[in-house]
Amino acid sequence: QVQLVESGGGVVQPGRSLRLSCAASGFTFSSYGMHWVRQAPGKGLEWVAVISYDGSNKYYADSVKGRFTISRDNSKNTLYLQMNSLRAEDTAVYYCAKDQRWLQLWDAFDIWGQGTMVTVSS
Amino acid sequence: EIVLTQSPGTLSLSLGERATLSCRASQSVSDSYLAWYQQKSGQAPRLLIYGASSRATGIPDRFSGSGSGTDFTLTISRLEPEDFAVYHCQQYGSSPQTFGQGTKVEIK
Repeated sequence: QVQLVESGGGVVQPGRSLRLSCAASGFTFSSYGMHWVRQAPGKGLEWVAVISYDGSNKYYADSVKGRFTISRDNSKNTLYLQMNSLRAEDTAVYYCAKDQRWLQLWDAFDIWGQGTMVTVSS
Repeated sequence: EIVLTQSPGTLSLSLGERATLSCRASQSVSDSYLAWYQQKSGQAPRLLIYGASSRATGIPDRFSGSGSGTDFTLTISRLEPEDFAVYHCQQYGSSPQTFGQGTKVEIK
């Protein structure tokens, strides 16, 4: 069964850091680009970052550039999002998502995790 | 950045009715790289349509997508109880990928 399971969310103070993880199973993780997408409470979806299948290419939304880092460990079938200098506006459910086609970087997302909530508050 | 504008914001319809959702892009979407997702309350989005008109695996044929360039449409031919949800469009032809603000389909 193809599955993505996020973890690592929680309540954190402004300016602090948090690392999210996304464990993949049921598909060849090392062949697919992976993304983080977030959704603030009651709002729409916002793409956050993408990493290529081999980790060689990474791109970020302007809103997180310089503060967030996406990475992956293909030996562990796990995707990460290191979030530094967190702000109140980063409060959201964070989803990891898989590219539909293998070896792509920009694609539709055919598998999503259940999401993990990050709340930035003092 | 391509801005996607979805309309209407909310669509109130009855079971069995036809739903027509619009997604308009501020610039032409490359290669019709336009997707639609369905999201139910408290759940992750689910891919319905990719490439503007191709149904994803397991999606019923009452869902169809059309359009090109800057104007795209998602049509649900006959609303079933499980179709009442929020629908998001996404363009993935240009960086950064962007989403519309969503259309809520609610029971009238």
